[in-house]
Amino acid sequence: EAGVVQSPRYKIIEKKQPVAFWCNPISGHNTLYWYLQNLGQGPELLIRYENEEAVDDSQLPKDRFSAERLKGVDSTLKIQPAELGDSAVYLCASSQSSGRDTQYFGPGTRLTVL
Amino acid sequence: GENVEQHPSTLSVQEGDSAVIKCTYSDSASNYFPWYKQELGKGPQLIIDIRSNVGEKKDQRIAVTLNKTAKHFSLHITETQPEDSAVYFCAAKAGGGADGLTFGKGTHLIIQP
Repeated sequence: EAGVVQSPRYKIIEKKQPVAFWCNPISGHNTLYWYLQNLGQGPELLIRYENEEAVDDSQLPKDRFSAERLKGVDSTLKIQPAELGDSAVYLCASSQSSGRDTQYFGPGTRLTVL
Repeated sequence: GENVEQHPSTLSVQEGDSAVIKCTYSDSASNYFPWYKQELGKGPQLIIDIRSNVGEKKDQRIAVTLNKTAKHFSLHITETQPEDSAVYFCAAKAGGGADGLTFGKGTHLIIQP
C-alpha cells in the first residue's frame, strides 16, 4: 500500500513569492491533516479535512495561508506571500476517518524562504 | 487546549541498554497517545500507540505505559540498537475525533556503540 505522497520535497523561494505544496493521502483515507514543523520542534496542526470540508482551521494563518481539498482526495496548501518565518517543514498526514485515531505522515516539504 | 511536555530533550545510552522517554499531558479528555519516530529528512513514523482504556502495551522491544490519574505516559525501548537513533515524539489526541494531535517537542535519542 502506498503511503502519503507529498511534493515537492524541497522548495527554495524568495520572500514575498507564492508557494504551493501538494499532498495525496493513503487511498481510502477520508481525513487529511496539514502540520507545520519548525526546526527542533514537534509538528503543529494547521488544518484538518473531513473529505472536502475543512473542519478545523483555527491554527491556519488565514491572511497568507490557504488550503483546499476539492474532490476530497488530494489537497494543496498555499502561502502567498511567503515570509522568512515560514521556513519550516510542511507535513501532510491522513487517517481513515475522524473516528480512527492512527495518523500516517508523508515525508514533508522543506520550505526555505530567502 | 491540550499541552504536552516531553523529557528529556536529549538522551544518550549505550547500545544494549534501555531508554525511557516521558511525557505529560494537560487535557483529561485526551484518550489516544501515539509515539512517533522521525529520522533525518523523513516524516514521523508511528511506532506504538495506546488508548486510555489500556495501561500498558508492548511490541517486541518497545513498550508504552499510561497513567491516566497522573496524566503521564512513557516510552520504553529495551536492548537498544544503533538503528534506534532518531528523534522520538509523543502526542496526545482529545476524544471524539475532534482534533488533530498535539505533539511534545521531541527527544533526540543517541545510541552509543
